[in-house]
Amino acid sequence: QKEVEQDPGPLSVPEGAIVSLNCTYSNSAFQYFMWYRQYSRKGPELLMYTYSSGNKEDGRFTAQVDKSSKYISLFIRDSQPSDSATYLCAMKERAGNQFYFGTGTSLTVIP
Amino acid sequence: DSGVTQTPKHLITATGQRVTLRCSPRSGDLSVYWYQQSLDQGLQFLIQYYNGEERAKGNILERFSAQQFPDLHSELNLSSLELGDSALYFCASTQSPGGNEQFFGPGTRLTVL
Repeated sequence: QKEVEQDPGPLSVPEGAIVSLNCTYSNSAFQYFMWYRQYSRKGPELLMYTYSSGNKEDGRFTAQVDKSSKYISLFIRDSQPSDSATYLCAMKERAGNQFYFGTGTSLTVIP
Repeated sequence: DSGVTQTPKHLITATGQRVTLRCSPRSGDLSVYWYQQSLDQGLQFLIQYYNGEERAKGNILERFSAQQFPDLHSELNLSSLELGDSALYFCASTQSPGGNEQFFGPGTRLTVL
């Protein structure tokens, strides 16, 4: 079993839809949770970074962490064609150096 | 632009050869990570350096090695290349070895023929 599981999709939604992207994990020591956006095999770009459980909002993006269920989500409101990309979740232990990545979910927003 | 630079952008070489990939971290960042991303696969962590010293090792093959220099740039050396080594190689940096905000470079696309 991988430490981080992420549905690869692909996910296709109409413009303006609310998108929900999810990851599950098995390591209860993970304390830091990140979401990255990667356009067509370019370098991943850090979108959101949260610590422990709870929600964090940044514009149209909301990151949610439920440590009891070992489940994290990224919500995108009012999705735009420019949001079409692969979204990677990543996690890290508090005292650790290594980041553990999901395999990414491919999202297409149709105009 | 993340501030992390990688050269070259593209590299085409033959099996059995050796190549060197170069990375410069963001200004002020002391820790460098190397990742491999193959088609349809996630990011595979290879190795991490902090201030010139190796701090963590992932699934790095014995044919691969890396180092970080006093000016903090890092090089990833890949030798005895095989077809399966064809991938995108990313470098990322953080301010400290346990830093949580990791910034990625644009990557080097390696093709082994």
